[in-house]
Amino acid sequence: AQSVAQPEDQVNVAEGNPLTVKCTYSVSGNPYLFWYVQYPNRGLQFLLKYITGDNLVKGSYGFEAEFNKSQTSFHLKKPSALVSDSALYFCAVRDMGNTDKLIFGTGTRLQVFP
Amino acid sequence: DSGVTQTPKHLITATGQRVTLRCSPRSGDLSVYWYQQSLDQGLQFLIQYYNGEERAKGNILERFSAQQFPDLHSELNLSSLELGDSALYFCASSVEDIYNEQFFGPGTRLTVL
Repeated sequence: AQSVAQPEDQVNVAEGNPLTVKCTYSVSGNPYLFWYVQYPNRGLQFLLKYITGDNLVKGSYGFEAEFNKSQTSFHLKKPSALVSDSALYFCAVRDMGNTDKLIFGTGTRLQVFP
Repeated sequence: DSGVTQTPKHLITATGQRVTLRCSPRSGDLSVYWYQQSLDQGLQFLIQYYNGEERAKGNILERFSAQQFPDLHSELNLSSLELGDSALYFCASSVEDIYNEQFFGPGTRLTVL
């Protein structure tokens, strides 16, 4: 069964510092991986995806993610955090069985302090 | 704005009641997905429709049902509501392509008292 894990419930970082939100995956075959962000009282917003190709994927709002096949990881990164980046971040993998649903991690709350 | 709309935004009802949640997908998207977000279960896939037909079922209770209409909007019906059904219900839509991302609506927050 396909799954993703987000080992950190919360990540705290100072504004201006680089941030990393971790995600590891377990799939059979090639993974299709996604990052979403959820702001308070809002729906999930798509940030970026990895399907194939370059291991470094660039997305919205200055975020990027690095796909690492040997470590089965897809960590979300940003060179310089903003207070407005504070939100709940979800990693997801596309189910490659009889449905193309997204299987989500448990989420990581990012808190950026001024 | 993702282009996916959901109504109502909030719903407060009593145990045993039935409610209907509505979703309009992005223009051109044929696939609609329903997800439930709760504190204890996280984000769980409920059901998927594609162009009016049920495509896949996830962790959807028998008390819940859904349909997708010819104009592609979808409704999620929740009946015999229990306290544990209180959650945020999201609708998402996408084009028919496993490589494409799903776009999520703002959600309907259901509170069962």
